[in-house]
Amino acid sequence: DAGVIQSPRHEVTEMGQEVTLRCKPISGHDYLFWYRQTMMRGLELLIYFNNNVPIDDSGMPEDRFSAKMPNASFSTLKIQPSEPRDSAVYFCASSLAGWTTGQEQFFGPGTRLTVL
Amino acid sequence: GIQVEQSPPDLILQEGANSTLRCNFSDSVNNLQWFHQNPWGQLINLFYIPSGTKQNGRLSATTVATERYSLLYISSSQTTDSGVYFCAVEQVDFNKFYFGSGTKLNVKP
Repeated sequence: DAGVIQSPRHEVTEMGQEVTLRCKPISGHDYLFWYRQTMMRGLELLIYFNNNVPIDDSGMPEDRFSAKMPNASFSTLKIQPSEPRDSAVYFCASSLAGWTTGQEQFFGPGTRLTVL
Repeated sequence: GIQVEQSPPDLILQEGANSTLRCNFSDSVNNLQWFHQNPWGQLINLFYIPSGTKQNGRLSATTVATERYSLLYISSSQTTDSGVYFCAVEQVDFNKFYFGSGTKLNVKP
C-alpha cells in the first residue's frame, strides 16, 4: 500500500479564497483523522471519522472549516473563506481502530497551507 | 481543558547516550500516546500507553496514570532519533484530545 496520500502537498492562496485539502487513507482502515500543526498552537486534532461518519468534530476551529468523507477511500477538509491565521500544516492519518484501542495511526506527509 | 507539559523542551545528545523525556498532565486521562516527528515533518505513532510499561526496541515508555505522568526512554540514541517527540492525551469524560508542545531532540554523531 502507498500509505496515506494527501494532496496538494503545498497550497498558497489569498485570503477569502476557498481551500480544499484531500486525503486518501490506507485501504481497510476504518478511522480517519485530520490534524493541524502551527507554531503558535502546536498539534491539534480537528476531526475524526469512523466508517465515513464524523465522530468528533469538537476540534474544528470554526464554521469556516468543514470536513467530509463521502466514501472509505477519500476525505476532504475545506476552509471557506480562508484567513491568514489558517496557515499551517494539515495532516491526515488513518488507522484500523480508534484512539482508545492502541491501534497505530499512519500519517500522511501533510499539506502546507499558506494564506496570504 | 487539560494541561499537558513536556520536558525538557530541548535536548542535545551525543550518539549512544540515553535519555528520558517526560510528559505531565493535569487531569485524569483515558489514554496517552507518544509520537515522533522527524526533521522532515513526518509523524509516527510510537506508543499507545494509558498505563504501565511498553518497549519497542531501543524505546520504552512508562505511564503512571495515578500520578499523571508518562516517561519516554531512548537508549543508545542514534542520529535518526532526532526530531520532536510529542505526547497526547484524551481527557476522561470529555473525549477531547490534547497535545504537549513537544521535546526537540538533536542527536549528534
